[in-house]
Amino acid sequence: GAGVSQSPSNKVTEKGKDVELRCDPISGHTALYWYRQSLGQGLEFLIYFQGNSAPDKSGLPSDRFSAERTGGSVSTLTIQRTQQEDSAVYLCASSFARVSTDTQYFGPGTRLTVL
Amino acid sequence: AQTVTQSQPEMSVQEAETVTLSCTYDTSENNYYLFWYKQPPSRQMILVIRQEAYKQQNATENRFSVNFQKAAKSFSLKISDSQLGDTAMYFCAFMKHERMAEYGNKLVFGAGTILRVKS
Repeated sequence: GAGVSQSPSNKVTEKGKDVELRCDPISGHTALYWYRQSLGQGLEFLIYFQGNSAPDKSGLPSDRFSAERTGGSVSTLTIQRTQQEDSAVYLCASSFARVSTDTQYFGPGTRLTVL
Repeated sequence: AQTVTQSQPEMSVQEAETVTLSCTYDTSENNYYLFWYKQPPSRQMILVIRQEAYKQQNATENRFSVNFQKAAKSFSLKISDSQLGDTAMYFCAFMKHERMAEYGNKLVFGAGTILRVKS
């Protein structure tokens, strides 16, 4: 079936603006993860959703970052008042999570550039 | 906290030859999983191979195999018969084992190794 999809593929915004990044997980996958890939910090975990459980937000770098997952499927990562250091590739991954260590499958990412 | 170290920022190999990418990690956990992911210029992260820490046998997937040394906390990837399509960034990743899925299992990544396969 279809893989994880993310939109937009690329996003250029001005400093101070808000942005929304979207992730569509693989159908049937209950777990969804957001990661950030930047030159200075490498690949970092941001947030994790699993079913109806409270999300694990331990990786969010500041309160300008938030995410939601509607209906247990699509997720939106929102960055408010963007800063230049937010420029990065934002990757989404999903897994079945029938057991805690199911393999995560990644989307192609959204490249965010903050001018 | 777990850390993953990839000490080779870049490597090159001739087509059809064999190359080994290094990865070491630090953890106090006994149950965990290790992964190698490949990221070509398209940005799509692709799972290459996975190893369960409780298994002594090294995982293999076609031309890809690992040398897992649990005591040394080492997890290297060997690519045999390298192909031009293997050119990519390779990430080593660690995942802690959680008994309950709702606790989540984030991947902890190394900094990556750029592999270039030359014709």
